[in-house]
Amino acid sequence: GAGVSQSPSNKVTEKGKDVELRCDPISGHTALYWYRQSLGQGLEFLIYFQGNSAPDKSGLPSDRFSAERTGGSVSTLTIQRTQQEDSAVYLCASSLAARHGYTFGSGTRLTVV
Amino acid sequence: TQLLEQSPQFLSIQEGENLTVYCNSSSVFSSLQWYRQEPGEGPVLLVTVVTGGEVKKLKRLTFQFGDARKDSSLHITAAQPGDTGLYLCAGLRIQGAQKLVFGQGTRLTINP
Repeated sequence: GAGVSQSPSNKVTEKGKDVELRCDPISGHTALYWYRQSLGQGLEFLIYFQGNSAPDKSGLPSDRFSAERTGGSVSTLTIQRTQQEDSAVYLCASSLAARHGYTFGSGTRLTVV
Repeated sequence: TQLLEQSPQFLSIQEGENLTVYCNSSSVFSSLQWYRQEPGEGPVLLVTVVTGGEVKKLKRLTFQFGDARKDSSLHITAAQPGDTGLYLCAGLRIQGAQKLVFGQGTRLTINP
């Protein structure tokens, strides 16, 4: 596609429920990144996929968070047993290589009530 | 500890004024990027600087990479309300994982 697409754009869930956030990157971009942004603050790195290499999961805040990237394209970020502190905007980005810059999606705003 | 420190974190000025945002680190980066984010959108890449001392201009925005490639600045001349947004610097480390390290951002408000 022309840009990075994220769905849903907004998600309200009850505490304790699981959620799945989807990211459809730019076709041909081998790198895909997930970030979390709280209250318009800076970006907190979550996870990074590069081609067929093992993902860099060093930013995942707990084992309730996981992500996969199927077929080197679409990625899903899953949060299990959501907590109120998980409320944030989750941003996905893709790139050919980090030195070329990232293209971000518009994000998914997650609210845990 | 933030690897890239941006200052100021918040800045509110009147239309027509000049301003400078700073991005500092004790680490050396192979390149540094600046992004602008508007409400409800993801950050958008403005510029990439690669060479120490490099200066790039984008209309009224001037970006500079420090000689030692540890810091950068963004200067806006005659700020306009359309410049309002969150400005993020991001560095690419020379070694290690090829992913950007982001500063915490500078929230800029230009008042008409």
